[in-house]
Amino acid sequence: AQKVTQAQTEISVVEKEDVTLDCVYETRDTTYYLFWYKQPPSGELVFLIRRNSFDEQNEISGRYSWNFQKSTSSFNFTITASQVVDSAVYFCALSEETSGSRLTFGEGTQLTVNP
Amino acid sequence: DGGITQSPKYLFRKEGQNVTLSCEQNLNHDAMYWYRQDPGQGLRLIYYSQIVNDFQKGDIAEGYSVSREKKESFPLTVTSAQKNPTAFYLCASSVTQGWANQPQHFGDGTRLSIL
Repeated sequence: AQKVTQAQTEISVVEKEDVTLDCVYETRDTTYYLFWYKQPPSGELVFLIRRNSFDEQNEISGRYSWNFQKSTSSFNFTITASQVVDSAVYFCALSEETSGSRLTFGEGTQLTVNP
Repeated sequence: DGGITQSPKYLFRKEGQNVTLSCEQNLNHDAMYWYRQDPGQGLRLIYYSQIVNDFQKGDIAEGYSVSREKKESFPLTVTSAQKNPTAFYLCASSVTQGWANQPQHFGDGTRLSIL
């Protein structure tokens, strides 16, 4: 069965620090997709990125970067020069080709960026 | 703007009462989902619908019911059989359930509490 583990329950940093959020997944499918979502205090989940199992290229978008490593079943998320507005709960999620767009979520990491 | 609208934002239920949470989308998406989020936990799937007049149970369907009479609407009823309904409920949609690479888009959520 599929599973997503976010071992870091809470992380607290000071503004301008870099921070990495860890995500480890389990799946038996050879074709799968990994997602990161941000949940600000307002509650809505905001889609950040999708990665498919055949593309291990790292991706950078502004201050955000993602490192996908199949060898360790990890899909980590780094925020460079963190800002107070980055404070939120971040969720990693997995979908499998055999299950369509059903998502399995990790338990989330609460990130607090202090001024 | 296209999006998902959930109402109400806050809802209170008396013991033995059924309550219905509304979810409407204007994204022209075929698939819709209901999740439950408890403090410090990830999202758990309650029900999902791939198409009008069709829906399937998720991982925690007991005590809940849904309908999908229109493509735009997917209301969730929390019945009196749900013994611990206090939670944050999120509705989501995706282009189609069959495509694992499609991200889900979320509403702002409804917070349900017991009086």
